[in-house]
Amino acid sequence: EEQLVESGGGLVQPGGSLRLSCAASGFTVSTFYMNWVRQAPGKGLEWVSSIDSGGSTYYADSVTGRFTISRHISKNTLYLEMNSLRAEDTAVYYCARDSILTVWGQGTKVTVSS
Amino acid sequence: EIVLTQSPDFQSVTPKERVTITCRASQSVGSSLHWYQQKPDQSPKLLIKYASQSISGVPSRFSGSGSGTDFTLTINSLEAEDAAAYFCHQSSTLRGTFGQGTKVEIK
Repeated sequence: EEQLVESGGGLVQPGGSLRLSCAASGFTVSTFYMNWVRQAPGKGLEWVSSIDSGGSTYYADSVTGRFTISRHISKNTLYLEMNSLRAEDTAVYYCARDSILTVWGQGTKVTVSS
Repeated sequence: EIVLTQSPDFQSVTPKERVTITCRASQSVGSSLHWYQQKPDQSPKLLIKYASQSISGVPSRFSGSGSGTDFTLTINSLEAEDAAAYFCHQSSTLRGTFGQGTKVEIK
Protein backbone atom coordinates (compact mmCIF):
# COMPACT_ATOMS: atom_id res chain seq x y z
CA GLU A 1 0.00 0.00 0.00
CA GLU A 2 1.28 3.44 -0.91
CA GLN A 3 1.46 5.60 2.18
CA LEU A 4 2.85 8.91 3.42
CA VAL A 5 3.44 9.69 7.09
CA GLU A 6 4.34 13.21 8.20
CA SER A 7 6.10 14.15 11.42
CA GLY A 8 8.01 17.02 12.96
CA GLY A 9 5.24 19.50 13.65
CA GLY A 10 4.87 21.32 16.94
CA LEU A 11 4.79 24.66 18.71
CA VAL A 12 7.50 27.13 17.73
CA GLN A 13 8.05 30.81 18.48
CA PRO A 14 7.92 33.43 15.75
CA GLY A 15 11.28 33.57 14.02
CA GLY A 16 12.00 29.96 14.89
CA SER A 17 12.69 26.94 12.72
CA LEU A 18 11.21 23.50 12.23
CA ARG A 19 11.88 20.57 9.93
CA LEU A 20 8.98 18.46 8.73
CA SER A 21 9.46 14.92 7.48
CA CYS A 22 7.29 12.80 5.22
CA ALA A 23 8.18 9.12 5.15
CA ALA A 24 6.95 7.20 2.16
CA SER A 25 6.20 3.50 1.83
CA GLY A 26 5.05 1.46 -1.15
CA PHE A 27 6.77 3.72 -3.68
CA THR A 28 10.01 5.65 -4.21
CA VAL A 29 9.84 9.36 -3.37
CA SER A 30 12.67 10.32 -5.73
CA THR A 31 10.80 9.07 -8.80
CA PHE A 32 7.69 11.15 -8.19
CA TYR A 33 6.69 14.79 -8.15
CA MET A 34 6.21 15.52 -4.45
CA ASN A 35 4.46 18.39 -2.73
CA TRP A 36 3.80 20.13 0.56
CA VAL A 37 0.34 21.60 0.99
CA ARG A 38 -0.91 23.39 4.10
CA GLN A 39 -4.23 24.23 5.65
CA ALA A 40 -4.58 27.02 8.20
CA PRO A 41 -7.17 26.45 10.95
CA GLY A 42 -10.67 26.55 9.48
CA LYS A 43 -9.32 27.58 6.08
CA GLY A 44 -8.78 26.09 2.66
CA LEU A 45 -5.80 24.38 1.10
CA GLU A 46 -2.65 26.23 0.05
CA TRP A 47 0.15 24.81 -2.08
CA VAL A 48 3.53 25.45 -0.42
CA SER A 49 6.28 23.72 -2.34
CA SER A 50 7.11 20.95 -4.80
CA ILE A 51 10.12 18.96 -5.95
CA ASP A 52 10.19 17.08 -9.22
CA SER A 53 11.94 13.80 -10.00
CA GLY A 54 14.92 15.69 -11.38
CA GLY A 55 15.34 17.62 -8.15
CA SER A 56 14.02 20.98 -9.34
CA THR A 57 12.19 22.82 -6.59
CA TYR A 58 9.29 25.27 -6.57
CA TYR A 59 7.88 27.50 -3.85
CA ALA A 60 4.88 29.68 -3.13
CA ASP A 61 5.76 33.36 -2.94
CA SER A 62 4.74 33.39 0.73
CA VAL A 63 7.50 30.95 1.70
CA THR A 64 10.25 31.65 -0.85
CA GLY A 65 13.54 32.30 0.89
CA ARG A 66 12.31 30.83 4.18
CA PHE A 67 11.34 27.22 3.36
CA THR A 68 13.41 24.54 1.64
CA ILE A 69 12.06 21.29 0.22
CA SER A 70 14.39 18.31 -0.11
CA ARG A 71 14.42 14.55 -0.10
CA HIS A 72 16.63 11.75 1.22
CA ILE A 73 16.82 8.92 -1.26
CA SER A 74 17.96 6.10 1.02
CA LYS A 75 15.47 7.06 3.73
CA ASN A 76 12.72 7.48 1.10
CA THR A 77 11.67 10.64 2.89
CA LEU A 78 10.60 14.13 1.85
CA TYR A 79 11.47 17.13 4.02
CA LEU A 80 10.40 20.72 4.49
CA GLU A 81 12.88 22.92 6.32
CA MET A 82 11.04 25.98 7.64
CA ASN A 83 12.93 29.02 8.91
CA SER A 84 11.90 32.51 10.05
CA LEU A 85 8.48 31.17 10.91
CA ARG A 86 5.56 33.58 11.20
CA ALA A 87 2.16 33.36 12.86
CA GLU A 88 0.62 33.02 9.41
CA ASP A 89 2.55 29.79 8.85
CA THR A 90 0.37 28.12 11.48
CA ALA A 91 -1.36 25.24 9.71
CA VAL A 92 -1.60 21.52 9.22
CA TYR A 93 1.07 20.56 6.71
CA TYR A 94 0.40 17.69 4.34
CA CYS A 95 2.76 15.98 1.95
CA ALA A 96 1.19 14.69 -1.24
CA ARG A 97 2.36 12.75 -4.28
CA ASP A 98 2.12 13.75 -7.93
CA SER A 99 1.08 17.00 -9.53
CA ILE A 100 -2.52 15.87 -9.12
CA LEU A 101 -2.07 14.97 -5.42
CA THR A 102 -3.07 11.34 -5.63
CA VAL A 103 -1.73 10.21 -2.25
CA TRP A 104 -1.83 12.33 0.91
CA GLY A 105 -0.37 11.93 4.36
CA GLN A 106 -2.35 12.48 7.54
CA GLY A 107 -0.77 15.87 8.16
CA THR A 108 1.36 17.37 10.90
CA LYS A 109 0.32 20.46 12.84
CA VAL A 110 2.57 23.49 13.07
CA THR A 111 1.73 26.29 15.49
CA VAL A 112 3.76 29.49 15.45
CA SER A 113 3.07 31.46 18.59
CA SER A 114 4.84 33.14 21.48
CA GLU B 1 -1.15 33.05 -10.29
CA ILE B 2 -4.30 31.33 -11.48
CA VAL B 3 -7.21 32.05 -9.15
CA LEU B 4 -9.89 29.39 -8.75
CA THR B 5 -13.30 30.54 -7.51
CA GLN B 6 -15.80 27.97 -6.32
CA SER B 7 -19.51 28.42 -5.85
CA PRO B 8 -21.36 28.09 -3.66
CA ASP B 9 -19.30 28.35 -0.48
CA PHE B 10 -21.87 26.32 1.41
CA GLN B 11 -24.74 24.05 0.48
CA SER B 12 -27.26 22.29 2.71
CA VAL B 13 -28.80 19.35 0.89
CA THR B 14 -31.22 16.53 1.65
CA PRO B 15 -30.17 12.93 0.92
CA LYS B 16 -30.78 11.74 -2.65
CA GLU B 17 -30.66 15.29 -3.99
CA ARG B 18 -28.20 16.23 -6.72
CA VAL B 19 -25.37 18.59 -5.78
CA THR B 20 -23.56 20.80 -8.29
CA ILE B 21 -20.40 22.70 -7.41
CA THR B 22 -18.69 24.97 -9.90
CA CYS B 23 -15.07 26.07 -10.16
CA ARG B 24 -14.08 28.99 -12.37
CA ALA B 25 -10.45 29.70 -13.26
CA SER B 26 -9.08 33.19 -13.87
CA GLN B 27 -7.40 31.87 -17.02
CA SER B 28 -7.52 28.64 -18.97
CA VAL B 29 -6.17 25.54 -17.22
CA GLY B 30 -7.09 23.22 -20.10
CA SER B 31 -8.27 20.01 -18.46
CA SER B 32 -5.75 20.15 -15.59
CA LEU B 33 -8.45 20.63 -12.98
CA HIS B 34 -9.00 18.12 -10.18
CA TRP B 35 -11.52 17.69 -7.36
CA TYR B 36 -10.95 16.59 -3.77
CA GLN B 37 -13.17 15.67 -0.86
CA GLN B 38 -12.13 16.44 2.70
CA LYS B 39 -14.15 15.08 5.59
CA PRO B 40 -13.71 16.60 9.07
CA ASP B 41 -10.34 15.77 10.65
CA GLN B 42 -9.23 13.85 7.57
CA SER B 43 -6.81 14.47 4.74
CA PRO B 44 -8.17 15.45 1.35
CA LYS B 45 -8.94 12.63 -1.06
CA LEU B 46 -8.77 12.80 -4.86
CA LEU B 47 -12.23 12.39 -6.36
CA ILE B 48 -11.92 13.38 -10.02
CA LYS B 49 -8.78 14.03 -12.07
CA TYR B 50 -8.33 16.02 -15.28
CA ALA B 51 -11.80 17.51 -15.10
CA SER B 52 -13.78 14.37 -15.80
CA GLN B 53 -11.68 11.25 -15.25
CA SER B 54 -12.91 8.91 -12.56
CA ILE B 55 -10.73 7.56 -9.77
CA SER B 56 -10.70 3.90 -8.79
CA GLY B 57 -12.68 3.32 -5.61
CA VAL B 58 -14.64 6.57 -5.81
CA PRO B 59 -18.42 6.01 -6.04
CA SER B 60 -19.89 6.54 -9.48
CA ARG B 61 -22.30 9.20 -8.18
CA PHE B 62 -19.33 11.62 -8.35
CA SER B 63 -18.66 13.07 -11.79
CA GLY B 64 -16.88 16.05 -13.27
CA SER B 65 -17.11 18.10 -16.43
CA GLY B 66 -15.70 21.19 -18.06
CA SER B 67 -12.56 22.52 -19.68
CA GLY B 68 -10.72 25.79 -20.04
CA THR B 69 -12.07 28.03 -17.28
CA ASP B 70 -15.36 26.50 -16.19
CA PHE B 71 -15.72 23.22 -14.37
CA THR B 72 -18.42 21.36 -12.48
CA LEU B 73 -18.45 18.63 -9.86
CA THR B 74 -21.74 16.77 -9.64
CA ILE B 75 -22.82 14.44 -6.88
CA ASN B 76 -25.84 12.44 -7.97
CA SER B 77 -28.16 11.15 -5.27
CA LEU B 78 -26.30 12.56 -2.28
CA GLU B 79 -25.64 10.20 0.61
CA ALA B 80 -25.07 11.07 4.26
CA GLU B 81 -21.42 10.06 4.00
CA ASP B 82 -20.86 12.78 1.38
CA ALA B 83 -20.97 15.53 4.03
CA ALA B 84 -17.58 17.17 3.50
CA ALA B 85 -15.69 20.08 2.04
CA TYR B 86 -14.92 19.91 -1.67
CA PHE B 87 -11.97 21.65 -3.30
CA CYS B 88 -10.89 22.15 -6.88
CA HIS B 89 -7.19 22.35 -7.75
CA GLN B 90 -5.35 23.25 -10.93
CA SER B 91 -2.04 21.71 -11.95
CA SER B 92 -1.59 23.49 -15.27
CA THR B 93 1.15 25.70 -13.80
CA LEU B 94 4.15 24.75 -11.67
CA ARG B 95 2.56 26.65 -8.79
CA GLY B 96 -0.72 24.88 -8.30
CA THR B 97 -3.66 26.67 -6.75
CA PHE B 98 -6.87 25.66 -4.99
CA GLY B 99 -10.40 26.92 -4.87
CA GLN B 100 -11.59 28.23 -1.53
CA GLY B 101 -13.74 25.16 -0.94
CA THR B 102 -17.42 24.29 -0.80
CA LYS B 103 -18.89 22.81 2.35
CA VAL B 104 -21.74 20.37 1.80
CA GLU B 105 -24.00 19.73 4.76
CA ILE B 106 -26.67 17.07 4.98
CA LYS B 107 -30.08 18.36 6.10
